[in-house]
Amino acid sequence: KAGVTQTPRYLIKTRGQQVTLSCSPISGHRSVSWYQQTPGQGLQFLFEYFSETQRNKGNFPGRFSGRQFSNSRSEMNVSTLELGDSALYLCASSFAGTGELFFGEGSRLTVL
Amino acid sequence: AQKITQTQPGMFVQEKEAVTLDCTYDTSDPSYGLFWYKQPSSGEMIFLIYQGSYDQQNATEGRYSLNFQKARKSANLVISASQLGDSAMYFCAMRDTEGQGFSFIFGKGTRLLVKP
Repeated sequence: KAGVTQTPRYLIKTRGQQVTLSCSPISGHRSVSWYQQTPGQGLQFLFEYFSETQRNKGNFPGRFSGRQFSNSRSEMNVSTLELGDSALYLCASSFAGTGELFFGEGSRLTVL
Repeated sequence: AQKITQTQPGMFVQEKEAVTLDCTYDTSDPSYGLFWYKQPSSGEMIFLIYQGSYDQQNATEGRYSLNFQKARKSANLVISASQLGDSAMYFCAMRDTEGQGFSFIFGKGTRLLVKP
């Protein structure tokens, strides 16, 4: 059974640009959530999608957005990038929004 | 508000010895669960062990066990017979039951280094 797949694994952007990250959950998992991990703030919840609906959103500015497709794959977008957006972005899936989270290896974003 | 606290930023342990990683939590929900994750340098968070608030016994999974003290609101992870591959970041987490949907609250983590 394939795990959670995130692409790209590494990317470098400059301030003001935008970025789109992709996440393919474990087959059959309908809940996909995103977390931002930084050395200073640790792991912070961004948003969670279930059956294409955003159920919850963390305390992040509107520059951070996401969506989920009918096949449960999810994308997150960050517009007008700032230096502070440099982080590891982790995607996690779960079967029905219960139990443990299954994480991908993350997308490491560097903003110059 | 719910909170997870891990007070040990870094820990050293000699190979083959046991080590305890501390985690305290705060929640007003009588039904909750505590999770432990391992994050190697590759970045992926790996689920290790789960303890439910109503579980009668402490959880165990191979070399991992939980020292769950409900009255003290602590759920410490015990790793027995440490191996070099155990060197990683370890996070304690619980589900956020105060919001909608399905999200977790994580502690700041403990970096464990196993010495040969």
